[in-house]
Amino acid sequence: AQTVTQSQPEMSVQEAETVTLSCTYDTSESNYYLFWYKQPPSRQMILVIRQEAYKQQNATENRFSVNFQKAAKSFSLKISDSQLGDTAMYFCAFIGGSNYKLTFGKGTLLTVNP
Amino acid sequence: DSGVTQTPKHLITATGQRVTLRCSPRSGDLSVYWYQQSLDQGLQFLIQYYNGEERAKGNILERFSAQQFPDLHSELNLSSLELGDSALYFCASKGQGSEKLFFGSGTQLSVL
Repeated sequence: AQTVTQSQPEMSVQEAETVTLSCTYDTSESNYYLFWYKQPPSRQMILVIRQEAYKQQNATENRFSVNFQKAAKSFSLKISDSQLGDTAMYFCAFIGGSNYKLTFGKGTLLTVNP
Repeated sequence: DSGVTQTPKHLITATGQRVTLRCSPRSGDLSVYWYQQSLDQGLQFLIQYYNGEERAKGNILERFSAQQFPDLHSELNLSSLELGDSALYFCASKGQGSEKLFFGSGTQLSVL
């Protein structure tokens, strides 16, 4: 069974600074996808970034980038130039192989301070 | 706007009652997922349907059931409700050949 672990329940960062959220996962699958979802106070689940396991290049979406270390089964999210609107719960998630479900970590609550 | 529609947004009911949550997936998406989000359990996968058929089942209670209709909308039925069923219930849809799930805005269920 796949598991996703987010070891940081809460983090804070100053506006315009950079912050990194950690995620590790466990799987025996060779083909899978990893995601970061954002859940702001509105509680909407918003896809932030996606990484295919077979790609060595780290995904980037504007201020958001990942550090994907396949051998270490690590998938961290870096947010650059943090903005107040980045304040949210961030979930790391995994989907792969014959398992069709998206498995989530427990989440990291990020607060961006002015 | 994700394109996934969930109704109602809020639902308040009493213990022992039965409710139905509705989800309309994005146009063209055949897969529908249901998730339950509670403070103590986090985001838990309940069940997935693909083109009307059950594809995968998670930690879904026997008191809960779901189905996907020919027009691809889905309903999650929760019966004999307990206080612990109070949670935010999400529906998500996925297109064929894609691994991205798009989430609706959720139904907040409060069981009093």
